[in-house]
Amino acid sequence: EVQLVESGGGLVEPGRSLRLSCAASGFTFDDYAMHWVRQAPGKGLEWVSGISWDGGSKAYADSVKGRFTISRDNTKNSLDLQMDSLRTEDMAFYYCVKSGGPGIASDNWWAPWGQGTLVTVSA
Amino acid sequence: SYVLAQPPSVSVAPGETASLPCGGNNIGSKSVHWYQQKPGQAPVLVISYDSDRPSGIPERFSGSNSGNTATLTISSVEAGDEADYYCQVWDRSTDHRVFGGGTKLTVL
Repeated sequence: EVQLVESGGGLVEPGRSLRLSCAASGFTFDDYAMHWVRQAPGKGLEWVSGISWDGGSKAYADSVKGRFTISRDNTKNSLDLQMDSLRTEDMAFYYCVKSGGPGIASDNWWAPWGQGTLVTVSA
Repeated sequence: SYVLAQPPSVSVAPGETASLPCGGNNIGSKSVHWYQQKPGQAPVLVISYDSDRPSGIPERFSGSNSGNTATLTISSVEAGDEADYYCQVWDRSTDHRVFGGGTKLTVL
Protein backbone atom coordinates (compact mmCIF):
# COMPACT_ATOMS: atom_id res chain seq x y z
CA GLU A 1 0.00 0.00 0.00
CA VAL A 2 1.32 3.42 -0.95
CA GLN A 3 1.77 5.64 2.09
CA LEU A 4 2.84 9.25 2.38
CA VAL A 5 3.35 10.65 5.87
CA GLU A 6 4.10 14.33 6.35
CA SER A 7 5.79 15.82 9.39
CA GLY A 8 7.37 19.05 10.53
CA GLY A 9 4.37 21.34 10.72
CA GLY A 10 3.77 23.63 13.64
CA LEU A 11 3.54 27.19 14.86
CA VAL A 12 6.14 29.64 13.58
CA GLU A 13 6.51 33.41 13.67
CA PRO A 14 6.39 35.46 10.47
CA GLY A 15 9.81 35.71 8.87
CA ARG A 16 11.06 32.46 10.39
CA SER A 17 11.75 29.10 8.75
CA LEU A 18 10.27 25.63 8.88
CA ARG A 19 11.17 22.36 7.17
CA LEU A 20 8.53 19.84 6.18
CA SER A 21 9.27 16.21 5.44
CA CYS A 22 7.36 13.42 3.76
CA ALA A 23 8.17 9.75 4.29
CA ALA A 24 7.12 7.57 1.36
CA SER A 25 6.59 3.82 1.29
CA GLY A 26 4.84 1.13 -0.72
CA PHE A 27 6.17 2.13 -4.14
CA THR A 28 9.44 2.67 -6.01
CA PHE A 29 10.05 6.23 -4.85
CA ASP A 30 12.65 7.17 -7.45
CA ASP A 31 10.31 6.29 -10.33
CA TYR A 32 8.01 9.21 -9.62
CA ALA A 33 7.93 12.96 -9.39
CA MET A 34 6.57 14.38 -6.15
CA HIS A 35 4.71 17.55 -5.30
CA TRP A 36 3.61 19.70 -2.38
CA VAL A 37 0.07 21.12 -2.42
CA ARG A 38 -1.35 23.35 0.29
CA GLN A 39 -4.78 24.32 1.53
CA ALA A 40 -5.49 27.22 3.82
CA PRO A 41 -8.20 26.37 6.38
CA GLY A 42 -11.59 26.55 4.69
CA LYS A 43 -10.06 27.41 1.32
CA GLY A 44 -9.21 25.64 -1.92
CA LEU A 45 -6.16 23.73 -3.11
CA GLU A 46 -2.99 25.46 -4.25
CA TRP A 47 -0.01 23.73 -5.88
CA VAL A 48 3.22 24.77 -4.16
CA SER A 49 6.15 22.92 -5.68
CA GLY A 50 7.20 19.83 -7.61
CA ILE A 51 10.37 17.82 -8.14
CA SER A 52 11.23 15.25 -10.80
CA TRP A 53 12.14 11.64 -10.06
CA ASP A 54 15.86 12.38 -9.87
CA GLY A 55 15.67 15.85 -8.37
CA GLY A 56 17.01 17.33 -11.58
CA SER A 57 13.94 19.45 -12.29
CA LYS A 58 12.09 21.59 -9.81
CA ALA A 59 9.20 24.02 -10.11
CA TYR A 60 7.57 26.49 -7.76
CA ALA A 61 4.40 28.50 -7.58
CA ASP A 62 5.02 32.21 -8.03
CA SER A 63 3.75 32.77 -4.47
CA VAL A 64 6.64 30.82 -2.93
CA LYS A 65 9.43 31.19 -5.50
CA GLY A 66 12.65 32.34 -3.88
CA ARG A 67 11.44 31.45 -0.37
CA PHE A 68 10.71 27.71 -0.54
CA THR A 69 13.08 24.94 -1.65
CA ILE A 70 12.00 21.43 -2.53
CA SER A 71 14.36 18.47 -2.32
CA ARG A 72 14.32 14.70 -2.20
CA ASP A 73 16.54 11.89 -0.96
CA ASN A 74 15.90 8.77 -3.00
CA THR A 75 18.11 6.70 -0.70
CA LYS A 76 15.75 7.48 2.17
CA ASN A 77 12.47 7.67 0.23
CA SER A 78 11.89 11.14 1.56
CA LEU A 79 10.69 14.49 0.25
CA ASP A 80 11.37 17.81 1.94
CA LEU A 81 10.16 21.37 1.70
CA GLN A 82 12.34 24.07 3.23
CA MET A 83 10.21 27.12 3.89
CA ASP A 84 12.00 30.39 4.63
CA SER A 85 10.72 33.93 5.21
CA LEU A 86 7.32 32.58 6.12
CA ARG A 87 4.31 34.86 5.81
CA THR A 88 0.87 34.70 7.38
CA GLU A 89 -0.53 33.80 3.97
CA ASP A 90 1.59 30.62 3.99
CA MET A 91 -0.54 29.25 6.82
CA ALA A 92 -2.15 26.05 5.54
CA PHE A 93 -2.26 22.30 5.54
CA TYR A 94 0.60 21.03 3.39
CA TYR A 95 0.07 17.80 1.48
CA CYS A 96 2.73 15.55 0.01
CA VAL A 97 1.52 14.09 -3.27
CA LYS A 98 2.81 11.37 -5.58
CA SER A 99 2.73 12.07 -9.30
CA GLY A 100 1.63 9.55 -11.89
CA GLY A 101 4.95 9.77 -13.72
CA PRO A 102 8.63 10.70 -13.39
CA GLY A 103 8.64 14.25 -14.70
CA ILE A 104 7.11 17.50 -13.53
CA ALA A 105 6.69 19.19 -16.91
CA SER A 106 3.74 16.97 -17.66
CA ASP A 107 0.01 16.60 -17.17
CA ASN A 108 0.26 13.61 -14.87
CA TRP A 109 -2.40 13.05 -12.26
CA TRP A 110 -1.56 13.23 -8.57
CA ALA A 111 -2.32 10.34 -6.22
CA PRO A 112 -2.27 9.42 -3.50
CA TRP A 113 -2.07 12.36 -1.12
CA GLY A 114 -0.71 12.27 2.39
CA GLN A 115 -2.90 13.34 5.30
CA GLY A 116 -1.21 16.71 5.51
CA THR A 117 0.67 18.69 8.13
CA LEU A 118 -0.53 22.05 9.42
CA VAL A 119 1.70 25.09 9.28
CA THR A 120 0.56 28.03 11.39
CA VAL A 121 2.29 31.36 10.89
CA SER A 122 1.51 33.82 13.64
CA ALA A 123 3.22 36.18 16.00
CA SER B 1 -2.15 32.91 -15.72
CA TYR B 2 -4.58 30.16 -16.60
CA VAL B 3 -7.84 30.22 -14.64
CA LEU B 4 -10.31 27.42 -13.93
CA ALA B 5 -13.83 28.40 -12.90
CA GLN B 6 -16.08 26.15 -10.83
CA PRO B 7 -19.45 26.99 -9.29
CA PRO B 8 -19.12 27.22 -5.50
CA SER B 9 -21.97 24.82 -4.88
CA VAL B 10 -24.22 22.25 -6.53
CA SER B 11 -27.15 20.52 -4.87
CA VAL B 12 -28.81 17.31 -5.96
CA ALA B 13 -31.30 14.85 -4.55
CA PRO B 14 -30.25 11.27 -3.81
CA GLY B 15 -30.50 9.07 -6.88
CA GLU B 16 -30.28 11.99 -9.26
CA THR B 17 -27.37 12.98 -11.51
CA ALA B 18 -24.92 15.74 -10.56
CA SER B 19 -23.02 17.65 -13.23
CA LEU B 20 -20.07 19.68 -11.99
CA PRO B 21 -18.58 22.00 -14.61
CA CYS B 22 -15.05 23.33 -14.79
CA GLY B 23 -14.53 26.21 -17.20
CA GLY B 24 -11.30 27.34 -18.77
CA ASN B 25 -10.07 28.89 -22.00
CA ASN B 26 -9.83 26.04 -24.52
CA ILE B 27 -9.71 23.54 -21.65
CA GLY B 28 -10.63 20.85 -24.18
CA SER B 29 -7.00 20.95 -25.36
CA LYS B 30 -5.74 20.08 -21.89
CA SER B 31 -5.93 17.01 -19.67
CA VAL B 32 -8.23 17.51 -16.71
CA HIS B 33 -8.03 15.66 -13.41
CA TRP B 34 -10.73 15.67 -10.74
CA TYR B 35 -10.26 15.29 -6.98
CA GLN B 36 -12.82 14.60 -4.28
CA GLN B 37 -12.23 15.93 -0.77
CA LYS B 38 -14.49 14.98 2.10
CA PRO B 39 -14.45 17.02 5.33
CA GLY B 40 -11.30 16.47 7.37
CA GLN B 41 -9.74 14.22 4.74
CA ALA B 42 -7.08 14.51 2.07
CA PRO B 43 -8.15 14.81 -1.57
CA VAL B 44 -8.67 11.63 -3.61
CA LEU B 45 -8.30 11.32 -7.38
CA VAL B 46 -11.64 10.32 -8.91
CA ILE B 47 -11.10 11.07 -12.62
CA SER B 48 -7.83 11.39 -14.55
CA TYR B 49 -7.14 12.50 -18.11
CA ASP B 50 -10.64 13.88 -18.61
CA SER B 51 -12.51 10.60 -18.29
CA ASP B 52 -10.37 7.79 -16.86
CA ARG B 53 -11.58 6.27 -13.63
CA PRO B 54 -8.88 5.06 -11.21
CA SER B 55 -9.16 1.66 -9.62
CA GLY B 56 -11.66 1.67 -6.77
CA ILE B 57 -13.72 4.61 -8.01
CA PRO B 58 -17.35 3.68 -8.68
CA GLU B 59 -18.62 3.60 -12.25
CA ARG B 60 -21.10 6.29 -11.23
CA PHE B 61 -18.25 8.79 -11.66
CA SER B 62 -17.48 9.91 -15.20
CA GLY B 63 -15.87 12.85 -16.95
CA SER B 64 -15.87 14.70 -20.23
CA ASN B 65 -13.94 17.61 -21.70
CA SER B 66 -14.59 19.70 -24.77
CA GLY B 67 -14.30 23.29 -25.85
CA ASN B 68 -14.18 25.55 -22.83
CA THR B 69 -15.79 23.21 -20.31
CA ALA B 70 -14.84 19.98 -18.57
CA THR B 71 -17.54 18.20 -16.61
CA LEU B 72 -17.54 15.69 -13.79
CA THR B 73 -20.76 13.68 -13.76
CA ILE B 74 -21.92 11.65 -10.81
CA SER B 75 -24.93 9.45 -11.52
CA SER B 76 -27.25 7.95 -8.92
CA VAL B 77 -25.81 10.31 -6.31
CA GLU B 78 -25.49 8.94 -2.79
CA ALA B 79 -25.17 10.70 0.54
CA GLY B 80 -21.55 9.56 0.69
CA ASP B 81 -20.73 11.58 -2.42
CA GLU B 82 -21.17 14.81 -0.49
CA ALA B 83 -17.78 16.51 -0.73
CA ASP B 84 -15.75 19.25 -2.35
CA TYR B 85 -14.66 18.53 -5.91
CA TYR B 86 -11.68 20.19 -7.58
CA CYS B 87 -10.64 20.18 -11.22
CA GLN B 88 -6.95 20.53 -12.07
CA VAL B 89 -4.84 21.04 -15.19
CA TRP B 90 -1.25 21.64 -16.21
CA ASP B 91 -0.87 24.69 -18.40
CA ARG B 92 2.01 23.85 -20.70
CA SER B 93 2.52 27.41 -21.93
CA THR B 94 3.20 28.79 -18.46
CA ASP B 95 4.24 25.58 -16.67
CA HIS B 96 1.58 26.39 -14.08
CA ARG B 97 -0.35 23.69 -12.25
CA VAL B 98 -3.81 25.05 -11.62
CA PHE B 99 -6.78 24.06 -9.50
CA GLY B 100 -10.28 25.32 -9.84
CA GLY B 101 -11.80 26.95 -6.79
CA GLY B 102 -13.78 23.81 -5.98
CA THR B 103 -17.46 22.91 -5.95
CA LYS B 104 -19.23 21.79 -2.80
CA LEU B 105 -21.67 19.02 -3.69
CA THR B 106 -24.63 18.85 -1.33
CA VAL B 107 -26.92 15.84 -1.35
CA LEU B 108 -30.37 17.03 -0.33
